Amino acid sequence: DTAVSQTPKYLVTQMGNDKSIKCEQNLGHDTMYWYKQDSKKFLKIMFSYNNKELIINETVPNRFSPKSPDKAHLNLHINSLELGDSAVYFCASSHQTGPNTGELFFGEGSRLTVL
Amino acid sequence: DQQVKQNSPSLSVQEGRISILNCDYTNSMFDYFLWYKKYPAEGPTFLISISSIKDKNEDGRFTVFLNKSAKHLSLHIVPSQPGDSAVYFCAASLSGGYQKVTFGTGTKLQVIP
Repeated sequence: DTAVSQTPKYLVTQMGNDKSIKCEQNLGHDTMYWYKQDSKKFLKIMFSYNNKELIINETVPNRFSPKSPDKAHLNLHINSLELGDSAVYFCASSHQTGPNTGELFFGEGSRLTVL
Repeated sequence: DQQVKQNSPSLSVQEGRISILNCDYTNSMFDYFLWYKKYPAEGPTFLISISSIKDKNEDGRFTVFLNKSAKHLSLHIVPSQPGDSAVYFCAASLSGGYQKVTFGTGTKLQVIP
């Protein structure tokens, strides 16, 4: 059983389109994240939700909108896609109780290519 | 501003020898440090971590050293094995509050048989 799963794994689309990436975790964690890995391989946090509540919102264009219907799911919707949005998007989850250890469990990534 | 830096994008080591991966950070408030390992087409997986109250943590072949005064940490892999070939990310976080983990850009390790 995959602990953190993302769909789709690959997404090729035209500029200006709207697309969504879905993420589900079966670890019972209460916090989920979206990270973006750009062409320079820099892995940068975008959003974090704790029990469906947005807790981290980095400087991300408002074309990106996360949605958490429940604590096991965190979806990412992107409007009006631009070339610069091409990247690998990683979903992750963690257990929030106890000391902050930073141990995250990642999905396999969703490679988005905008043409 | 990149708060966690891995200045070596790649490293090649012979099988059986020691691999040393380095990481520097700029934010002195970081108090928890981690290493993640990533294979192609997979997500990063947690490898080992160290709290700022320690200067060394060991787990089998993997040891992480922390030098707080120099804001430097390193990962030692002894002995290196071909299966260790991967990209290694250094990461740092702040205790308290929510887990905002800041990653470096990674070092690609190749262990040559």
